[in-house]
Amino acid sequence: AQSVTQLGSHVSVSEGALVLLRCNYSSSVPPYLFWYVQYPNQGLQLLLKYTSAATLVKGINGFEAEFKKSETSFHLTKPSAHMSDAAEYFCAVQQRDDKIIFGKGTRLHILP
Amino acid sequence: DAGITQSPRHKVTETGTPVTLRCHQTENHRYMYWYRQDPGHGLRLIHYSYGVKDTDKGEVSDGYSVSRSKTEDFLLTLESATSSQTSVYFCAIRTGTGGFGEQFFGPGTRLTVL
Repeated sequence: AQSVTQLGSHVSVSEGALVLLRCNYSSSVPPYLFWYVQYPNQGLQLLLKYTSAATLVKGINGFEAEFKKSETSFHLTKPSAHMSDAAEYFCAVQQRDDKIIFGKGTRLHILP
Repeated sequence: DAGITQSPRHKVTETGTPVTLRCHQTENHRYMYWYRQDPGHGLRLIHYSYGVKDTDKGEVSDGYSVSRSKTEDFLLTLESATSSQTSVYFCAIRTGTGGFGEQFFGPGTRLTVL
């Protein structure tokens, strides 16, 4: 079975600084990969998705992620953090049997 | 929001009682999922469905059953609730009929088992 590992359950960055949230997956074949965001007391919202069309994927709110097969990684970045980015972020992988497996999440804190 | 509703949104129940959570969608998507969310565990798949009467287990299916008698409704049942099932439960649909699809989530149900 595939798995997803998110490094760091909490990440703090200063407003205006680079955001980097790490995600590694285990897969023997190129997977479908996703990043979701969850704001307090809300459901999950899709940020971006990788479907093998392009290795650099742009999403909403200025986020992007790069698929690196050699590193089995799909890290999420944003050049300049904003206070409104404070939320929990989840990386997920879709398996061939249609199951979608999530990482444990990374809570992003933005420091003023 | 892909037309997904969950009911109830909040429920408090006692250990040993049966509980049924309902997920309703309005767009006739084939795939539906139930997850639970707990601090430190992220979202864990309980059960999912790939069509009417077609369901399969996820990674944390023990103590849960599901039913899907029509496309729009996916029910999650806790036959005899335990305190370890206190959680926030999310329903999701997946677009597409095969291969890649995007998931959209409902608003969640907060369940407390005393």
